[in-house]
Amino acid sequence: AQKITQTQPGMFVQEKEAVTLDCTYDTSDPSYGLFWYKQPSSGEMIFLIYQGSYDQQNATEGRYSLNFQKARKSANLVISASQLGDSAMYFCAMRELNTDKLIFGTGTRLQVFP
Amino acid sequence: EPEVTQTPSHQVTQMGQEVILRCVPISNHLYFYWYRQILGQKVEFLVSFYNNEISEKSEIFDDQFSVERPDGSNFTLKIRSTKLEDSAMYFCASSEAGRISNQPQHFGDGTRLSIL
Repeated sequence: AQKITQTQPGMFVQEKEAVTLDCTYDTSDPSYGLFWYKQPSSGEMIFLIYQGSYDQQNATEGRYSLNFQKARKSANLVISASQLGDSAMYFCAMRELNTDKLIFGTGTRLQVFP
Repeated sequence: EPEVTQTPSHQVTQMGQEVILRCVPISNHLYFYWYRQILGQKVEFLVSFYNNEISEKSEIFDDQFSVERPDGSNFTLKIRSTKLEDSAMYFCASSEAGRISNQPQHFGDGTRLSIL
């Protein structure tokens, strides 16, 4: 079974609008962390935001926020006021208890148009 | 802002040759990682390294792979005898702490390895 599922291979959004990128996860660990990374066309991986399984509040980081619904095992990334520079691949990742590795989803390609 | 640096940005190697990918992690970080991303596919964990030894490795990280911290700043990934299927983007990452969920791993820009 997939540990991290990103069902949207591609998304389009108009500049200045908000967009939600979906991520669902599967784990039986009580403690885990969820991460979002951005990968522009140049290839680097840029850390955006983190949500811990025990965090009571949804994480926010500037224009990025995480809509964390623990019972549904979803951790959707919300980008507000989209900018042209937000066009990139976005990866959701999870780290489970007692492991170093990040498990990545297949990514969502976001394109922001004027 | 401190960053992870990787060299070279692109490496082209003949099949069967040895290749060494180099990384300089963020200076106060203690945990180091290698991931790879085959073109168009998801990012996959290879290995983690702490206190001069491998902390965890995936099934991809077989005897052809090795990692080393030869000095106080560099972290290297060696592939002993490259195969065509080793062609991928290789990312180095580092973090301040390991198995504490709230510590992000910071990635370098990657080395694109092309095996001919």
